[in-house]
Amino acid sequence: KNEVEQSPQNLTAQEGEFITINCSYSVGISALHWLQQHPGGGIVSLFMLSSGKKKHGRLIATINIQEKHSSLHITASHPRDSAVYICAVSLDTGNQFYFGTGTSLTVIP
Amino acid sequence: EPEVTQTPSHQVTQMGQEVILRCVPISNHLYFYWYRQILGQKVEFLVSFYNNEISEKSEIFDDQFSVERPDGSNFTLKIRSTKLEDSAMYFCASSGDWSYNEQFFGPGTRLTVL
Repeated sequence: KNEVEQSPQNLTAQEGEFITINCSYSVGISALHWLQQHPGGGIVSLFMLSSGKKKHGRLIATINIQEKHSSLHITASHPRDSAVYICAVSLDTGNQFYFGTGTSLTVIP
Repeated sequence: EPEVTQTPSHQVTQMGQEVILRCVPISNHLYFYWYRQILGQKVEFLVSFYNNEISEKSEIFDDQFSVERPDGSNFTLKIRSTKLEDSAMYFCASSGDWSYNEQFFGPGTRLTVL
């Protein structure tokens, strides 16, 4: 059974701070996904990673396949970044996602 | 930009009633999924669907649940006899390819069973 663990569960930051959210998983995967869930509930895909690093605007995602670990970084955080960030993995054997419990981020002006 | 849509946004039903949740995936996508999220809990996989049949399903997806693609655009999730514990947000998602499996999520349907 694949477990996806995220830390921290909750995070409060001042506007402008650099933020890191971590994700670890227990089995081999085909890809790792970072998702953003807004207070209204909608889910948006931020990144899909199978190796290395990706950058989109102020967001950076990295993955270390050997260590089964990924990080999501937000540079120069802004109150509009406040959301739940979810790590999910898809396995080689199937296409479903296994989700982490999410990290609730609040950025204070 | 193409997007996944879901209707209704909120459904309230009585325990024991049947509900049908509707999704319109992105038009050229081939793989379709239903997930649910009970309030305060993590998102859970229910079922995936490809080529007009279920390709994977979780333990949650028991005989009370069924999925259908009744025409070329809609993808539905039916719950035959709702229980209180079926109250959750239900998300539909679609993806274009098995190997490139970025999934695009709909806005969700909040189901409340009374």
